[in-house]
Parts: sequence; C-alpha cells; structure tokens
Amino acid sequence: AQSVTQPDIHITVSEGASLELRCNYSYGATPYLFWYVQSPGQGLQLLLKYFSGDTLVQGIKGFEAEFKRSQSSFNLRKPSVHWSDAAEYFCAVVPYSSASKIIFGSGTRLSIRP
Amino acid sequence: EAGVTQFPSHSVIEKGQTVTLRCDPISGHDNLYWYRRVMGKEIKFLLHFVKESKQDESGMPNNRFLAERTGGTYSTLKVQPAELEDSGVYFCASSQGLTKNIQYFGAGTRLSVL
Repeated sequence: AQSVTQPDIHITVSEGASLELRCNYSYGATPYLFWYVQSPGQGLQLLLKYFSGDTLVQGIKGFEAEFKRSQSSFNLRKPSVHWSDAAEYFCAVVPYSSASKIIFGSGTRLSIRP
Repeated sequence: EAGVTQFPSHSVIEKGQTVTLRCDPISGHDNLYWYRRVMGKEIKFLLHFVKESKQDESGMPNNRFLAERTGGTYSTLKVQPAELEDSGVYFCASSQGLTKNIQYFGAGTRLSVL
C-alpha cells in the first residue's frame, strides 16, 4: 500500500546537538517530497521540498534533507538544534498520480533538552 | 501578504450540534484544500476546491460534512450533526496552481465534540 512512514513518534535531543528525523515512503515512482513543521499554536510551515535534481536540498531554519532513491527515504537533518526547533515535524508526499492530495506521515515530535 | 487564516481557532460543541469552520485562503489562490487530523492519527486530506468547484472530495468521511466555496474565495466546512469522532484539528491550505503543488497551511481549527 502507498504510505509515508515516520518511525519515530518522539525524539529528544540536547540543544546544540545534531538531529536526523527519518522518513520512508512507499510509492511506485518517486513522488514530490516535503517536510513541514508545526510549532505550538502555529500552522504547518514548509521547511523544504524535493522535486528532482540534486538529492540534497536546503530549507529554511538551517534544515536540509537528503533523498535516497535506493532506500525510498527523505531524512531531515540539522547540524545543531536550537530550543526554538521544538515542534512537530511531518514528512509528506504528493504522488505523481495526484494533482491535489498531500499524503502525510504521522509526525515526529521533537523536544529539546537544555 | 496575509497567509491562510482559519476561524475559529478552537470550537467546543456538544454531540449533535452543528459547527461551521471557515477558511480564508491567500489572495489569488484558486486552489483550496481541507485536511483533518484526529487524535493520534496522521493528517488526512478531505477535499480540494478549484475556485468554487469541488475537484476532489474523496476524503470526506460521510454526508455529515459539507464544504462550500461560494464565489471562489473563502470556504466553509460544516459538520452537522457533530459526533464524538469528529474531534480533531481541521487544517485549510491554499495553492496558486497545481504544478508541484506547494500548499500553504493555516493554523488550524481545533474542534472538540463533547
């Protein structure tokens, strides 16, 4: 079945530490890939996106993600997290077959340890 | 430029009552989407408008949900009568076109049905 999997429900890292959030998708062809973030009381904000080309994409707030076709993965990374990065992060895809639907993963809640 | 705005931010109603959620998309965006996140689950697509027409309503859970977008501007999502399982966060998003489908989200309406 077509799906987006975020295996980590909740992650806690220390401020200044590196971060990697995992995302795997299951689709026949490479879909469009996104990471969104939702901070408390805020809407979903687009962090970065991958359509084609360079497999390492840069986003806002110092985040980057790497698309690996062989692993059907699109993991999000940040070299040094800040307390303000505490939020919920969603991996998402738009299949080629869909002109409208975004398919979201279940989200990973990130907590920052002072 | 104003983003996607949703009203109210939080609604608490009793089972059997009616609730109407409103979404104002970004000005000039023809595409408007509704999504829902029920407790502990992933964010799921409900429907997609192109201007005032429903392009895809495959995610609407049942006929207690009615979405409208008269005049192709703001949209409403009415739940009548509300059931306990309707509780969750309802997100609205808009996009300018369908190419690569970058959707901009509002902060959501948290609906609590008691």
